[in-house]
Amino acid sequence: QSALTQPPSASGSPGQSVTISCTGTSSDVGAYNYVSWYQQHPGKAPKLMIYEVSKRPSGVPDRFSGSKSGNTASLTVSGLQAEDEADYYCNSYTGSNNPYVFGTGTKVTVL
Amino acid sequence: EVQLLESGGGLVQPGESLRLSCAASGFTFSSSAMSWVRQAPGKGLEWVSVISGSGIITYYADSVKGRFTISRDNSKSTLYLQMNSLRAEDTGIYYCARTEAYAFHHWGQGTLVTVSS
Repeated sequence: QSALTQPPSASGSPGQSVTISCTGTSSDVGAYNYVSWYQQHPGKAPKLMIYEVSKRPSGVPDRFSGSKSGNTASLTVSGLQAEDEADYYCNSYTGSNNPYVFGTGTKVTVL
Repeated sequence: EVQLLESGGGLVQPGESLRLSCAASGFTFSSSAMSWVRQAPGKGLEWVSVISGSGIITYYADSVKGRFTISRDNSKSTLYLQMNSLRAEDTGIYYCARTEAYAFHHWGQGTLVTVSS
């Protein structure tokens, strides 16, 4: 199972929006509405930000939103804040004997 | 509050074995699937293995299949990962994660495994 494809980096100024893409195949992202997104600050454990494509866990700001079209999922961070600077990873359920696959990761920089 | 605490990491030589543990609290452990996810130094996240709440169903990444075994003791609310025939490429931080709705909702702080001669 190949990793999902994410851009290596993305950036925006405070208050702006940034969107990260996550491209898979018709066997993973395109097949199931089980895409999730994780935020990871340096030296810290990942944190769930979005699950089931667009649902936010309790405590995650509504500045974070998710969507999906075909084989590509997206995470949008609106109203960028300094604390949003981190690595972001997508993940998809695959329905196979290798049921989960992560994306390659995107480093978000707040300019 | 959900808490996950990994332990058991360390420095081992190639070919040796190691068993990781993850002590869980703050939720009904036996009702939750659990996963191991690892991260090589400076690299991205890699899903390793998942086990159902009952322990009956398990899956493994191709990279560890046949060498790693996931298990759980619901009476102790503890998850395990037995790692045999370790290789240099198994080096990294290993996280346990509560798995629900096909996502990793809660993560431990991780335990570092270093495989080197």
